[in-house]
Amino acid sequence: EAGVVQSPRYKIIEKKQPVAFWCNPISGHNTLYWYLQNLGQGPELLIRYENEEAVDDSQLPKDRFSAERLKGVDSTLKIQPAELGDSAVYLCASSPAGGETQYFGPGTRLLVL
Amino acid sequence: SQQGEEDPQALSIQEGENATMNCSYKTSINNLQWYRQNSGRGLVHLILIRSNEREKHSGRLRVTLDTSKKSSSLLITASRAADTASYFCATDAGSGSRLTFGEGTQLTVNP
Repeated sequence: EAGVVQSPRYKIIEKKQPVAFWCNPISGHNTLYWYLQNLGQGPELLIRYENEEAVDDSQLPKDRFSAERLKGVDSTLKIQPAELGDSAVYLCASSPAGGETQYFGPGTRLLVL
Repeated sequence: SQQGEEDPQALSIQEGENATMNCSYKTSINNLQWYRQNSGRGLVHLILIRSNEREKHSGRLRVTLDTSKKSSSLLITASRAADTASYFCATDAGSGSRLTFGEGTQLTVNP
């Protein structure tokens, strides 16, 4: 069974530029999560989807961050414009309906110069 | 914000030794989970312990939970170089709440 797929794995951009990350969850998993992980820290939830509905986006900085999960499968996380402080690893995870365990992708490492 | 606090922040041991990591949390939980993260990779689920359980085993892993002290420990027995990774505890308060991760313990197992 394929795991959670994320792309790109690495991204370097200049500040004020836009950037987008893509995630394909495990087949059949209807819950999808986006996390932010700063160096030396644990992941922090940005947004959680149940199918195509964002059910927890309270930690998403909505002035510059946006996310979508059309058709309840793939998801895209966008930052526009990026700031220096956005340099971090962006992790995507998924879980089956009612599942308590989350399955993580390898993450996208973003560097904003 | 992170709910869990992990101790120690870093741990270095020799292969074959046991490694113990501790996690403390602040609010009531439904379950507590431990995850491992190898450098440059995503997190991998190791074990889940429910609030009504006190101890759980999985292979070389032993997890304890003390809800009265709001703390948990992860013991890795007979460690191997391949166990080198960061270990995170995560608490789940249930009822659709989010999983809240600690800051992690960096374990280094020297061959």
